[in-house]
Amino acid sequence: KAGVTQTPRYLIKTRGQQVTLSCSPISGHRSVSWYQQTPGQGLQFLFEYFSETQRNKGNFPGRFSGRQFSNSRSEMNVSTLELGDSALYLCASSFTTSATDTQYFGPGTRLTVL
Amino acid sequence: SQQGEEDPQALSIQEGENATMNCSYKTSINNLQWYRQNSGRGLVHLILIRSNEREKHSGRLRVTLDTSKKSSSLLITASRAADTASYFCATDKAAGNKLTFGGGTRVLVKP
Repeated sequence: KAGVTQTPRYLIKTRGQQVTLSCSPISGHRSVSWYQQTPGQGLQFLFEYFSETQRNKGNFPGRFSGRQFSNSRSEMNVSTLELGDSALYLCASSFTTSATDTQYFGPGTRLTVL
Repeated sequence: SQQGEEDPQALSIQEGENATMNCSYKTSINNLQWYRQNSGRGLVHLILIRSNEREKHSGRLRVTLDTSKKSSSLLITASRAADTASYFCATDKAAGNKLTFGGGTRVLVKP
């Protein structure tokens, strides 16, 4: 069974631009969560989607948004990029939203903002 | 903000030795999980321990949980060079998949 895939793997943008990252969950998984990882703040939860509905949201500004499609694939968008948005963005998928369901993480998208 | 604090931040051991790392958290939890991350890649789930469990084993891994002290420990026995990675604890509090991660422990296993 294929794992979680994220595209692109690497991305370089400049301040003020916007970016869209994509995550394809494991087949059959309906829950997708997004995390941001930086050296300073560590791993922080962005949002969680299940059946095309956002179920949880972390403490990030409105520039960060996401959505989930009917095939469970998810995208996250960051508008008006800032230098501090440089990070590894990880998505994770699981069958359900149960906390005891193992979350499987993708390899991440490394975003660099210049 | 991070729920968990991990200790130590870094650990260097020889192959064959045991590695122990600790995680403390601040609020009540439903479950606590441990993940491994190799060199800025994705996270790999290692083990989940529920709040009503005190100890759990998986292969060379042993996890303990003390809810009265709000702390957990991960023991890797007979470490191998391939265990070199960062290890994170993660807690969940409410329903849903929102995980709150600790700062991680970087483990270096020298051959």
